[in-house]
Amino acid sequence: GAVVSQHPSRVICKSGTSVKIECRSLDFQATTMFWYRQFPKQSLMLMATSNEGSKATYEQGVEKDKFLINHASLTLSTLTVTSAHPEDSSFYICSSGGGSSYNEQFFGPGTRLTVL
Amino acid sequence: DAKTTQPTSMDCAEGRAANLPCNHSTISGNEYVYWYRQIHSQGPQYIIHGLKNNETNEMASLIITEDRKSSTLILPHATLRDTAVYYCIVSTRGSTLGRLYFGRGTQLTVWP
Repeated sequence: GAVVSQHPSRVICKSGTSVKIECRSLDFQATTMFWYRQFPKQSLMLMATSNEGSKATYEQGVEKDKFLINHASLTLSTLTVTSAHPEDSSFYICSSGGGSSYNEQFFGPGTRLTVL
Repeated sequence: DAKTTQPTSMDCAEGRAANLPCNHSTISGNEYVYWYRQIHSQGPQYIIHGLKNNETNEMASLIITEDRKSSTLILPHATLRDTAVYYCIVSTRGSTLGRLYFGRGTQLTVWP
């Protein structure tokens, strides 16, 4: 299947700072990417749908001004957690779809964010 | 919102078949049944999907009831590496429409 990478894999930051997480599709062009977060012992929660060249679509209850998404190319989407607080500490996972395969989404390995 | 219900946990002996059930009684005609699994602290991995016919690939088999209100994922010969949380999801096909809403899934533990 397709390969999706995320960077960084782990990040620790101070409260009030912003953190950028990158999601790359390595071997195909992803017109659509999805961002999820997962709190400990809970399931994945869809945050937003990232569309190349257009604004992201956010799920209900997700603050678009706090979680900035940019999908400037067919291989890269970024999620910026602005003014991070300890409650934003979570496992952030991206997935991609599009290109020649519309059958399934391919997930990245995830980014563990810890806000002190 | 997740539209599926799954048992919280299941056990299986190594080498035996693992049969994971899923109920999706409100599935729409254009929705597919997808199965993903997540090994601890990793991103989910696609397993299989189907619409109404049974499907088989190198990883698993998917049996969908005729009324499409439930399905079963079958891992024919479970190994220790199959220990993971298995998610059954219904979604429209295609990445632009196919938002995936994960439920709690089933924690499958394969024991030696």
